[in-house]
Amino acid sequence: TAGITQAPTSQILAAGRSMTLRCTQDMRHNAMYWYRQDLGLGLRLIHYSNTAGTTGKGEVPDGYSVSRANTDDFPLTLASAVPSQTSVYFCASSGGLENNEQFFGPGTRLTVL
Amino acid sequence: GQNIDQPTEMTATEGAIVQINCTYQTSGFNGLFWYQQHAGEAPTFLSYNVLDGLEEKGRFSSFLSRSKGYSYLLLKELQMKDSASYLCAVRDSNYQLIWGAGTKLIIKP
Repeated sequence: TAGITQAPTSQILAAGRSMTLRCTQDMRHNAMYWYRQDLGLGLRLIHYSNTAGTTGKGEVPDGYSVSRANTDDFPLTLASAVPSQTSVYFCASSGGLENNEQFFGPGTRLTVL
Repeated sequence: GQNIDQPTEMTATEGAIVQINCTYQTSGFNGLFWYQQHAGEAPTFLSYNVLDGLEEKGRFSSFLSRSKGYSYLLLKELQMKDSASYLCAVRDSNYQLIWGAGTKLIIKP
């Protein structure tokens, strides 16, 4: 079982360009999450989805959008990247509101120049 | 606002015991989690506490006091592979995780 996969592993992106970070899970988890992790800060929630077809805004949603067309996939799109979006992005999933742990993908390291 | 505090860095000796503290102030409480994160890797789940008291799992134990807004992670018989960051996270009233910045644990031989 692969768990959660993310692509790409890393990317360098010119400011103003758009990009989609991909996330796929094979655990049939209802809930999925996108976090960014920056040095000295805790993981910050960007967007989440409690079930296929629904999405919600987290702590730092500006400049990002998501969709949840099916259970397995939860792509994150940067419409017009800015240098402050340079970060490590983690996708995670969990069985639902009452289930305990979140499982994390390997992360995408994004640099915006 | 919501806040999770934990020490930035700690150093301990191989074979010893170390306690990593976490204090929190959040809007609601629906459980506290500890995760381990090795450098360059994803966080992995260690423990979950929702009731007061100690949860033991092998060399790792986690304690919670809801009235004090306090938790600690206790690591026994430290091994070099325990060198990592340890993340404390609280699930708030919206069932979202609020994360601390993590404690980097350095193990010396």
